[in-house]
Order: sequence, then C-alpha cells, then structure tokens
Amino acid sequence: QKEVEQDPGPLSVPEGAIVSLNCTYSNSAFQYFMWYRQYSRKGPELLMYTYSSGNKEDGRFTAQVDKSSKYISLFIRDSQPSDSATYLCAMSVVKAAGNKLTFGGGTRVLVKP
Amino acid sequence: DTAVSQTPKYLVTQMGNDKSIKCEQNLGHDTMYWYKQDSKKFLKIMFSYNNKELIINETVPNRFSPKSPDKAHLNLHINSLELGDSAVYFCASSQQGADYGYTFGSGTRLTVV
Repeated sequence: QKEVEQDPGPLSVPEGAIVSLNCTYSNSAFQYFMWYRQYSRKGPELLMYTYSSGNKEDGRFTAQVDKSSKYISLFIRDSQPSDSATYLCAMSVVKAAGNKLTFGGGTRVLVKP
Repeated sequence: DTAVSQTPKYLVTQMGNDKSIKCEQNLGHDTMYWYKQDSKKFLKIMFSYNNKELIINETVPNRFSPKSPDKAHLNLHINSLELGDSAVYFCASSQQGADYGYTFGSGTRLTVV
C-alpha cells in the first residue's frame, strides 16, 4: 500500500461545476500538505500549501486538511476548461532543507465547456 | 525568464548508453532535487542537494550519479541505460524554511530503446 493514495480519475465535470479532489495518507507524521497542478508535458506547479489541520482559501481554490482522518481535499469552484489538468497532492514531515515530498499518483480532471 | 530550466527536454537513446541531464535554477534557492515520474504519474524523489551537499539519496541504482557544481546547478548522469529508465525526470528547487514548496522544471522525457 502506498503512503499517499489518490484516485487517478479521470474526473469529468461541466464548466462551472465544483471539482472535488481528495487524498488519503497513512503516515501520521505528515504536517505539510500541498496541491500541485500539472498540465500535459509540463512540470507540476504549486497551487496550495497548508500546515496541519484546517482550511485555506485562495480565489476559486479551497484546501482542507483533516489530520484525525488522514484525509486532505481540494475544491475548485466555478471550474473552467483551463482547469483541465492532473492534480497531485503532496505531503512532507518537516520543513527543513532537503524536505522530501511524498506525492499521490494524481487525479486527471477534465472540465467540459 | 525560466526559474528552473532543464536540458534536454527530450532524450531518445539506446540501451547501454550513458547520458546526462542538466538543471539550473535562477531563484536563489539553496536546495535542489531530482524526481522521477513514471508512466502512472507517480513522482518519486531520487536525490536532493543543499548548498552542493548531498542530503537525500533514495534507493536508486548506482548507475545514477548526481553532481552539483554550485547551488544553482544540479546534473544527473546515468550510465548503462536500461529500458526501465524510461520516464520523465524533473528537477526542482526550494528554499529552506520557505512556505511555498518546490518549483519544478518542465521535465526531461527520457526514452530508452
């Protein structure tokens, strides 16, 4: 079993819908949680960064962390075709130099016009 | 002005050859990484350097040898290439103590035939 599990999708939604993504993890030592977006043939780019449990909002994006359930979520409101990409969750134990990120396998999202 | 740049973008080579991938970052970060992304999109760390010092060395074949001539550059040399080495290799950088995760390059797609 992998340390971080993520449904590979694809997740297909109509434009304007809410996209709901999630990851589960097994390592209770994880403290830093991130969501990356990766377009085809590109490198991952950081969307959201949260520390410990709670919610964080940035524009159309909301990240939630529930450490008691070892579950993190990303919500995208008013989805656009340009949101079509693979979304990767990532997490780490500490913030020190050489901080190793453990990634989920990514969920492919398709927003249809 | 590209923050993390990798060369080459594409590399097709025969089994048994030796090849190198180069990475440069102009963000002033002190830590650099090599990640491998397989066909199922899983990103796994290979190596990390902090100020030219190797600090993470995951279980990878010793045919893979990283080298960091200075903190802005991290290269990856691969000897005796095998079919299973085919993947996308991403370079990334981060700053110790910073809250914004990694910045990834756009990847080098390696195909071994």
